[in-house]
Amino acid sequence: GENVEQHPSTLSVQEGDSAVIKCTYSDSASNYFPWYKQELGKGPQLIIDIRSNVGEKKDQRIAVTLNKTAKHFSLHITETQPEDSAVYFCAASGGFQKLVFGTGTRLLVSP
Amino acid sequence: DGGITQSPKYLFRKEGQNVTLSCEQNLNHDAMYWYRQDPGQGLRLIYYSQIVNDFQKGDIAEGYSVSREKKESFPLTVTSAQKNPTAFYLCASSPTGTPYNEQFFGPGTRLTVL
Repeated sequence: GENVEQHPSTLSVQEGDSAVIKCTYSDSASNYFPWYKQELGKGPQLIIDIRSNVGEKKDQRIAVTLNKTAKHFSLHITETQPEDSAVYFCAASGGFQKLVFGTGTRLLVSP
Repeated sequence: DGGITQSPKYLFRKEGQNVTLSCEQNLNHDAMYWYRQDPGQGLRLIYYSQIVNDFQKGDIAEGYSVSREKKESFPLTVTSAQKNPTAFYLCASSPTGTPYNEQFFGPGTRLTVL
């Protein structure tokens, strides 16, 4: 089955810096890669996703890149703000109607 | 206002008791899911249902049971057979009919066994 690894587990940046979180997956058949943001005590929120037929997608300060050959995808956050502080999860489609999640990255943005 | 609701937000249980967590959605989604989240770990799939009156075990189904009698509702029962039930439980739903599994999550229920 699908296996997703996520790095780093924690990431501290200064406000205004960029942050990059990386994930690798094992199943070459996976075709959908969402990213979720989870604030303390709340459910994860879908913030961006990418499908296997594109290499990059942007939404304001957030971008995701996908390298199907290397089986890895990354989340890029530019001009970070304190409200970006949260836990971020990547996921990959692990079979019909299933997602397999990474272990999460705790992002701390210091003012 | 469409979305997924979970109740209660916090739940306390004594050892040996069964407890049922509620999940309701008004997004008209066919598929629903239950995940368990422990500190420092990702989300692990307990059960999922793609259609009413049908559900499948996920990766950690032992000690849990579900039902799907209505499209809008997917309650999870944590039984006394679950050895370590203290965790944060998340319900999600997604539309079917597409090759991309966009899942949307509820706010979660934190279960503590006393």
